[in-house]
Amino acid sequence: AQSVTQLGSHVSVSEGALVLLRCNYSSSVPPYLFWYVQYPNQGLQLLLKYTTGATLVKGINGFEAEFKKSETSFHLTKPSAHMSDAAEYFCAVSDTGNQFYFGTGTSLTVIP
Amino acid sequence: ETGVTQTPRHLVMGMTNKKSLKCEQHLGHNAMYWYKQSAKKPLELMFVYNFKEQTENNSVPSRFSPECPNSSHLFLHLHTLQPEDSALYLCASSQASGRPLAYEQYFGPGTRLTVT
Repeated sequence: AQSVTQLGSHVSVSEGALVLLRCNYSSSVPPYLFWYVQYPNQGLQLLLKYTTGATLVKGINGFEAEFKKSETSFHLTKPSAHMSDAAEYFCAVSDTGNQFYFGTGTSLTVIP
Repeated sequence: ETGVTQTPRHLVMGMTNKKSLKCEQHLGHNAMYWYKQSAKKPLELMFVYNFKEQTENNSVPSRFSPECPNSSHLFLHLHTLQPEDSALYLCASSQASGRPLAYEQYFGPGTRLTVT
């Protein structure tokens, strides 16, 4: 069965510090991987995705993620956190099925 | 209007009421989705429509009834709901879905439903 694990339901970083949000998945086949962000009272917005090709993927707002097959991970990073990055972040995986499997989300707090 | 819109944004209903949620996408997509988002839980996919045909129904109780009259509109009809159905209901759309889903989904802002 497909599963997505996001380690840490809450992450706090100082403004200007590195952001690292972790995502691990289980899949029996090469998956497609996505990161979404959700701001308060809004729907989810795509940050970036990996389907094939280069394993380091760059997204919007300075975020990037690296697909590591050997570690079954797709961690999201940003070199320098901004106050506007405070939001809920969701990792999602699609493999052979006709749906996404979402993690439970990580709430990011940015401390001034 | 652009993107994916949902109405109403907030809804309070009693357990004996009948109400409907509406979703409209202005992106020219052919696939539409209903999700339920509850606190501390992963997003739960409820229904998938491809070219107006329902292709997924993830064991959703019959008190939730979807309707997709065309590729741009999606409804979720609600009746005799339970308090545990209170949640944020999100609609999304994408290019035609396939196996696996390669196309990103575009989400609406959601309807916050409270069942009293």
